Amino acid sequence: GQNIDQPTEMTATEGAIVQINCTYQTSGFNGLFWYQQHAGEAPTFLSYNVLDGLEEKGRFSSFLSRSKGYSYLLLKELQMKDSASYLCAVLGGGGSQGNLIFGKGTKLSVKP
Amino acid sequence: KAGVTQTPRYLIKTRGQQVTLSCSPISGHRSVSWYQQTPGQGLQFLFEYFSETQRNKGNFPGRFSGRQFSNSRSEMNVSTLELGDSALYLCASSWSNTDTQYFGPGTRLTVL
Repeated sequence: GQNIDQPTEMTATEGAIVQINCTYQTSGFNGLFWYQQHAGEAPTFLSYNVLDGLEEKGRFSSFLSRSKGYSYLLLKELQMKDSASYLCAVLGGGGSQGNLIFGKGTKLSVKP
Repeated sequence: KAGVTQTPRYLIKTRGQQVTLSCSPISGHRSVSWYQQTPGQGLQFLFEYFSETQRNKGNFPGRFSGRQFSNSRSEMNVSTLELGDSALYLCASSWSNTDTQYFGPGTRLTVL
């Protein structure tokens, strides 16, 4: 089957660093995406990894290990506006090509 | 460049009715995917269209259908609505089915 796991909720303090982990088991793989979703809004694209390693984009970084089926999203210098759900998604391959398989999301609360 | 647009934004229907939702992709994007988001199941893939052809379909009953027009605009239809169809329906567009998907604001469907 296809499965993506990430923690349900996390809490962090403004200015701190937080790491959101994601593990996946899918029948195909064409890349791993992270999206941010504020309550009542659409998901917005944050990052994309298709090769192993770290991708950095400002305050956000994402890491991928394909052999371990593991990714994390690192958020630095947390701000109150970072309070949102973070969705890990794998782009399927083969018969699932074009199909983003999502985890249930991690609700991050940033406290002052 | 304009983003993905979806109409209507909110819809209230009663059980047994049918509904049609519309999605206009980012200009130049030819792949359109549809997702259903509920609190319990998260984001689940419905189907993906490219050049007016459905290339991939998720695990939803036949009551859920869609189509894509020559200008890449897409519609999805749900017939014989059930209470469990109440959800946020999201459309996402991309250049191809292996590229980053960008989401529209969604249509919030409530079935009474």
